[in-house]
Amino acid sequence: GEDVEQSLFLSVREGDSSVINCTYTDSSSTYLYWYKQEPGAGLQLLTYIFSNMDMKQDQRLTVLLNKKDKHLSLRIADTQTGDSAIYFCAEGNTGNQFYFGTGTSLTVIP
Amino acid sequence: SQTIHQWPATLVQPVGSPLSLECTVEGTSNPNLYWYRQAAGRGLQLLFYSVGIGQISSEVPQNLSASRPQDRQFILSSKKLLLSDSGFYLCAWTGGVDGELFFGEGSRLTVL
Repeated sequence: GEDVEQSLFLSVREGDSSVINCTYTDSSSTYLYWYKQEPGAGLQLLTYIFSNMDMKQDQRLTVLLNKKDKHLSLRIADTQTGDSAIYFCAEGNTGNQFYFGTGTSLTVIP
Repeated sequence: SQTIHQWPATLVQPVGSPLSLECTVEGTSNPNLYWYRQAAGRGLQLLFYSVGIGQISSEVPQNLSASRPQDRQFILSSKKLLLSDSGFYLCAWTGGVDGELFFGEGSRLTVL
């Protein structure tokens, strides 16, 4: 499969912004996704961006895509304790295949 | 609305025993279906995907197999489990306007 990389851990204080980064290798990606996983649960789709877009905002979430550098980021504004979870970046291609990063564990400190 | 269900949610099996995990999707037709495994290291590994009944693509050779006997049913099986098969198994399907991938609740398998 394709390589999708993320840093493993991130800690932020409640109320601050969180930025989770991701790099990928597949230049044929059509969509890039962010998922949230809480302990013992499946993955919840948070947001996604089409590969020809630079930015997408959805309430507290902002996705930035640098296609040239194959870099994707997720910014969570006003981070809350309920945002503590593992966040996965994923890429999808025209072959209906999806590849995931290793996940970033976000800890929000009260 | 569309929903996806997996069962059992939790399973403890001895080494060498068989396995059957089932996944069904409701509210859609002809979905693409996927099995992923999430090991302790957290990353998701694509195991199988299917674009239609009886059509299975395997991403990783191993002692697991998948079948799709009906349009909205996807089954993950093994004849003899290994310790290394322990993990969290996630079924998923593509739907939505842009073909987004949606996940089931997951099945946690512990092989002893």
